[in-house]
Amino acid sequence: EVHLLESGGGLVQPGGSLRLSCTASGFTFSSYAMSWVRQAPGKKVEWVSAISATGVTTYYADSVKGRFTISRDNSKNTLYVQMDSLRAEDTAVYYCAKGQWLSDNWGQGALVTVSS
Amino acid sequence: EFVLTQSPGTLSLSPGERATLSCRASQNISSFKLAWYQHQPGQAARLLIYGVSTRAAGIPDRFSGRGSGADFTLTISRLEPEDFAVYYCQQYGSSPTFGQGTKVEIK
Repeated sequence: EVHLLESGGGLVQPGGSLRLSCTASGFTFSSYAMSWVRQAPGKKVEWVSAISATGVTTYYADSVKGRFTISRDNSKNTLYVQMDSLRAEDTAVYYCAKGQWLSDNWGQGALVTVSS
Repeated sequence: EFVLTQSPGTLSLSPGERATLSCRASQNISSFKLAWYQHQPGQAARLLIYGVSTRAAGIPDRFSGRGSGADFTLTISRLEPEDFAVYYCQQYGSSPTFGQGTKVEIK
């Protein structure tokens, strides 16, 4: 059974940084592209970023380009997103998802709150 | 950018009833890249349908999707207690976007 577990969420001040991790199990992690999506309170789900299976190719939503960096460690079955220059509008539950554009499995999410 | 609009916002139905959820796109979705997800509070979202009408692995056949162009529908033929949840449509072209969700609640 596929299992995705996000960690690293929390409260951070505007302008600060945070790194989320997603530990994967139940499938061959190194064979699949992965992505991050988020949902801010009362807002639509928003695709944030994706990374190819090898980690060579990355994709970003315009809203996070230049501030977020997606990466992966296939030896640890772990996906990351480094979030810098955080803004209040980045406050959301962040979900790790298996797949690049279409995701057949999601994690339960990690809450990121950007507030002073 | 593709904007997806789901209706209704909330659907109040009883177990055993039929649920029909709508998803309308701001422009035609080519290559049938339209999916539906189910999300229970506090749980991981689950892919139900992709390619407009193909059920994902393990999804019961009471769930069905149809549509073309810019209008799509998810139908749950007979609601089971575990089906009361929020449902999202998604177009998964190179810049994926989601609808705002339809909540199916117990009447």
